[in-house]
Amino acid sequence: DTEVTQTPKHLVMGMTNKKSLKCEQHMGHRAMYWYKQKAKKPPELMFVYSYEKLSINESVPSRFSPECPNSSLLNLHLHALQPEDSALYLCASSQVIESWDTEAFFGQGTRLTVV
Amino acid sequence: LAKTTQPISMDSYEGQEVNITCSHNNIATNDYITWYQQFPSQGPRFIIQGYKTKVTNEVASLFIPADRKSSTLSLPRVSLSDTAVYYCLVGQTGANNLFFGTGTRLTVIP
Repeated sequence: DTEVTQTPKHLVMGMTNKKSLKCEQHMGHRAMYWYKQKAKKPPELMFVYSYEKLSINESVPSRFSPECPNSSLLNLHLHALQPEDSALYLCASSQVIESWDTEAFFGQGTRLTVV
Repeated sequence: LAKTTQPISMDSYEGQEVNITCSHNNIATNDYITWYQQFPSQGPRFIIQGYKTKVTNEVASLFIPADRKSSTLSLPRVSLSDTAVYYCLVGQTGANNLFFGTGTRLTVIP
C-alpha cells in the first residue's frame, strides 16, 4: 500500500467555523508533511512532523494547528480562516527526514474554500 | 537551501523526447536532486532522484554534469498524458528536499 489518503476531498467552511483535515498512511513512514497550494503556484511547505513530533513550522499562522496523534495519522485543525486561505491542502509522507534518499508520497489533497 | 531555476513552460509534440533543465548554481556538496510531476488537482508524484552523472528508471532519465550546477530531466517519447508541471528540488536531508520551486509546465501537443 503506497497510498496517502486525505479526507475530505472538498470542504467549504465559513470564517467562524472550526474544521479538521485528516491524512492517513500505512507505509510505516515516520515523516509527515502539510503543504498549501494556490492555483498555478508550487506547493508551499507548512509543517513537518518527524517521529510524531513537530519538526518544522514554516511560520504558519496560528489559525492552522497541526496534530500527529500517531505514526499513521496527521490532522490539520482549522479555525477562523480567511478567504485567502482557500487552496488545495496536500499531505505527504516519507520514511524519515534524516535520510537523503527521500521519496515523498503525496495524497490527492483537500480542496478548501473559505466563504 | 539551493535555489532552483526552471523554464516556466514548454511545449512538445507527441512522440518526441523532452528535456527539462534545472539550474541550481548554489548546490551544496551534500545536496541531492529530485524531480516530481504534478497533474492538475493532484498531489505531486516522485519521478527520479540523483546525485551525479546519470540516473535512469522506467519513466525518465536524469543527467547531472560534473559541476552539478544544473540537471536535465529527460522524458522519452512523450504522450498527451505527460502534460503536467515538473518540479526540480535540491536539498540534503528529507525535509530540505521538499521545498518546491516554480516548476515547468509541459504541454504535449497531438
